[in-house]
Amino acid sequence: DSGVTQTPKHLITATGQRVTLRCSPRSGDLSVYWYQQSLDQGLQFLIQYYNGEERAKGNILERFSAQQFPDLHSELNLSSLELGDSALYFCASRSGTGVTEAFFGQGTRLTVV
Amino acid sequence: GQQLNQSPQSMFIQEGEDVSMNCTSSSIFNTWLWYKQDPGEGPVLLIALYKAGELTSNGRLTAQFGITRKDSFLNISASIPSDVGIYFCAGQLYDMRFGAGTRLTVKP
Repeated sequence: DSGVTQTPKHLITATGQRVTLRCSPRSGDLSVYWYQQSLDQGLQFLIQYYNGEERAKGNILERFSAQQFPDLHSELNLSSLELGDSALYFCASRSGTGVTEAFFGQGTRLTVV
Repeated sequence: GQQLNQSPQSMFIQEGEDVSMNCTSSSIFNTWLWYKQDPGEGPVLLIALYKAGELTSNGRLTAQFGITRKDSFLNISASIPSDVGIYFCAGQLYDMRFGAGTRLTVKP
């Protein structure tokens, strides 16, 4: 168990809908990263938050947004969903102080039908 | 942004063989990480490297942080069937970027 919790584990929704994915980082970790992994693909960096503020942005679509709350949990919002958004979405957390490794949650498998 | 090139894309080896994979980058990193992902699971950290030139082992795994800070390699010795999975390198500076992964298949 990495200590990073993602909910829900699975999500099936229709095109055009909006969903929210949730990530609770490891206790004490300030930094949260979000990644998208399509079938048999690598991990595409979406966005990073550090202590509530956006720190870095990757290939995140305008239809997607994220935030990190004062209790450090993070949410990834996906709207106007398309079939191509079906993927595994992972979050990872890191302490953010000094040079430390990141730990991943189990992921949320999103299926858009 | 930083680009990581990981090779090979896939490997098919016989149980007992050694494996080598590497990552190169156009930018420098201050940390290199190697992760393994089993199907449907999140990546699990195998080895973390923090200094240029550092060579670190974890059981049958050995990884090195390149002197130029732009590359890293991972070796797996005497492979076993449970080594099957996707191996990712990751470089960390301000954020964390991943290579495309090396898919390893081990034939008994």
